[in-house]
Amino acid sequence: AQKVTQAQTEISVVEKEDVTLDCVYETRDTTYYLFWYKQPPSGELVFLIRRNSFDEQNEISGRYSWNFQKSTSSFNFTITASQVVDSAVYFCALSEGGGSWGKLQFGAGTQVVVTP
Amino acid sequence: DTEVTQTPKHLVMGMTNKKSLKCEQHMGHRAMYWYKQKAKKPPELMFVYSYEKLSINESVPSRFSPECPNSSLLNLHLHALQPEDSALYLCATTGGSYNEQFFGPGTRLTVL
Repeated sequence: AQKVTQAQTEISVVEKEDVTLDCVYETRDTTYYLFWYKQPPSGELVFLIRRNSFDEQNEISGRYSWNFQKSTSSFNFTITASQVVDSAVYFCALSEGGGSWGKLQFGAGTQVVVTP
Repeated sequence: DTEVTQTPKHLVMGMTNKKSLKCEQHMGHRAMYWYKQKAKKPPELMFVYSYEKLSINESVPSRFSPECPNSSLLNLHLHALQPEDSALYLCATTGGSYNEQFFGPGTRLTVL
């Protein structure tokens, strides 16, 4: 069975501070995919980043960066120089592979509050 | 532009009403999903359609009836709902090799 844990319920920061969101996952599959989604108050889930189990290269995309470590089953996400518009709930999600139309297992979500 | 659209944005219905939620995707994807999301919780999968056939039903009560008329459209027919069914209903689609799902803006449903 797959499981995703986001231990941080809420993080509050002042604008321009960096925010790091933790995600720990469990899966028995060797092929799997990890994602981060953002859900602002409007409700729409916005896809942010993805990583597959064979690619541990960490990347930076604009103000977003992620740190994928298979050894610790972690997929952490960082927002650099936070802005008020970053205020949202962030979900980490796992999909087991095999090329199927897989289920997304979401973590509980972390509420990020950025104040001016 | 939003490539997954959902209508209506908001819906209020009584327990004896029949209504439908609609989802349309313009991404050419072959799998579509319905999720239910209660406040302060992650989305919960309800149904998956792949190539217009129902492939996953997560033991959803029969008062929710999905329909996939074609590869671009997904409906969720609602009948005799309960107040606890009030939630945000999200449609998603996927077609990429990473199984990343793209979501619509959702329908906020209130059952009185």
